[in-house]
Amino acid sequence: DARVTQTPRHKVTEMGQEVTMRCQPILGHNTVFWYRQTMMQGLELLAYFRNRAPLDDSGMPKDRFSAEMPDATLATLKIQPSEPRDSAVYFCASGLTTGITGELFFGEGSRLTVL
Amino acid sequence: AQKITQTQPGMFVQEKEAVTLDCTYDTSDQSYGLFWYKQPSSGEMIFLIYQGSYDEQNATEGRYSLNFQKARKSANLVISASQLGDSAMYFCAIHGFQKLVFGTGTRLLVSP
Repeated sequence: DARVTQTPRHKVTEMGQEVTMRCQPILGHNTVFWYRQTMMQGLELLAYFRNRAPLDDSGMPKDRFSAEMPDATLATLKIQPSEPRDSAVYFCASGLTTGITGELFFGEGSRLTVL
Repeated sequence: AQKITQTQPGMFVQEKEAVTLDCTYDTSDQSYGLFWYKQPSSGEMIFLIYQGSYDEQNATEGRYSLNFQKARKSANLVISASQLGDSAMYFCAIHGFQKLVFGTGTRLLVSP
């Protein structure tokens, strides 16, 4: 079965360290979303790519977060320096958007804990 | 701008009964898609069902159906014959040309 793959699944790090999360979208999908989920804020959109171009990263703290798609098979979300408030589950989702379609699937998430 | 409203923080249902989870939306896009996802305690986001704004028939996927009322801007999820394994958080989402926006979710508890 095709699936969105995220690594790492779990990450514990100390404040100030750099964290990189990776996402392999489903082959052939042209849109990628990064979300952060916390109990307090729910699901927050951080970044949205279509055909590898960033369309919306307004939800992302620009001073410490960055998102890229170096190629069609890899999306990255980087936090530098990390802070305890960044502790959350980070989800990547990929989809196929020619017009609007129903194909939009999530990875299993990366649970980040910043001490 | 797009917005999803899920007004039921929690719902209870007995096994084998049907349950409706409410979702209303707001969007300025002419074309959009509506999604429902299930998030069990394990944390993964599981796609359940999709409705396109131009689809005239309500979407169905097994025990899940989406009651789409475009004029009222509602996209309620109906789960028929609830099972214990349906206990989870359920999120409604809308995808226009710019963003995929989620509601705050409804926690469903299915009791024996």
